[in-house]
Amino acid sequence: EAGVVQSPRYKIIEKKQPVAFWCNPISGHNTLYWYRQNLGQGPELLIRYENEEAVDDSQLPKDRFSAERLKGVDSTLKIQPAELGDSAVYLCASSLVRSSYNEQFFGPGTRLTVL
Amino acid sequence: GENVEQHPSTLSVQEGDSAVIKCTYSDSASNYFPWYKQELGKRPQLIIDIRSNVGEKKDQRIAVTLNKTAKHFSLHITETQPEDSAVYFCAAAAGNKLTFGGGTRVLVKP
Repeated sequence: EAGVVQSPRYKIIEKKQPVAFWCNPISGHNTLYWYRQNLGQGPELLIRYENEEAVDDSQLPKDRFSAERLKGVDSTLKIQPAELGDSAVYLCASSLVRSSYNEQFFGPGTRLTVL
Repeated sequence: GENVEQHPSTLSVQEGDSAVIKCTYSDSASNYFPWYKQELGKRPQLIIDIRSNVGEKKDQRIAVTLNKTAKHFSLHITETQPEDSAVYFCAAAAGNKLTFGGGTRVLVKP
C-alpha cells in the first residue's frame, strides 16, 4: 500500500513570495490533515478535511494561508505571502474514520525555508 | 482545547536500560492516546496506541499505561537498543483531533 505522498520535499523561498504544497493521501482515506511542525516541537494541526469539507480550520492563519481538497482526494496548502516565521516542516496526514478512534498516517513532509 | 504536556524533553539511557516518557492531558473527553516515533528527517510513525477503556497495552519491548482519572499516560521502552534513538511524541485525541506533546528526544548510548 502506498503511503501519504507529499511534494515538494524541500522548498526555499524569499519572504513575501508565495508557496504551495501538495498532498496525496492513502487511497480510500476520507480524512486529511495538514500540520505544521516547528523545529524541536510536536506537529500542530492547521486544518482537517473530512472528504471535501474543512471541518476544523481554527488554527489556520487565514490572512495568508489557504487550503483546498477538491474532489475529496488530494489537497494543496498555500501560503501567500510567506513570512520568515513560516519556516517549518509541513506534514500531511490521512486516516480512515471508522469510529471514535483512527490512526493517522503521516507523509514525509515538506521542509520550508523562508529567507 | 486540549493541552498535552510531555516530560522529559530529552532522555539519555544506556543500551539495555529502560526508558520512560510521561504525558499529561487536560481534556477529559480525550479517548485515544497514540505514541509516534520520529527519526531525524523522517515522518512520525505510530508505534503503539491505547484506548480509554484500557489501562495498559504491551507490544514486545514497548508498553503504554493510561490513568484516566489522573489524566496521565506513559510510554515504557525496555531493553533499549541504539535503533530506539529518536524523538517520541505522545498525543491525545478527542474525536478526530490529535493534540501532540512537545516531544522527547531519546538517545540510547551503546
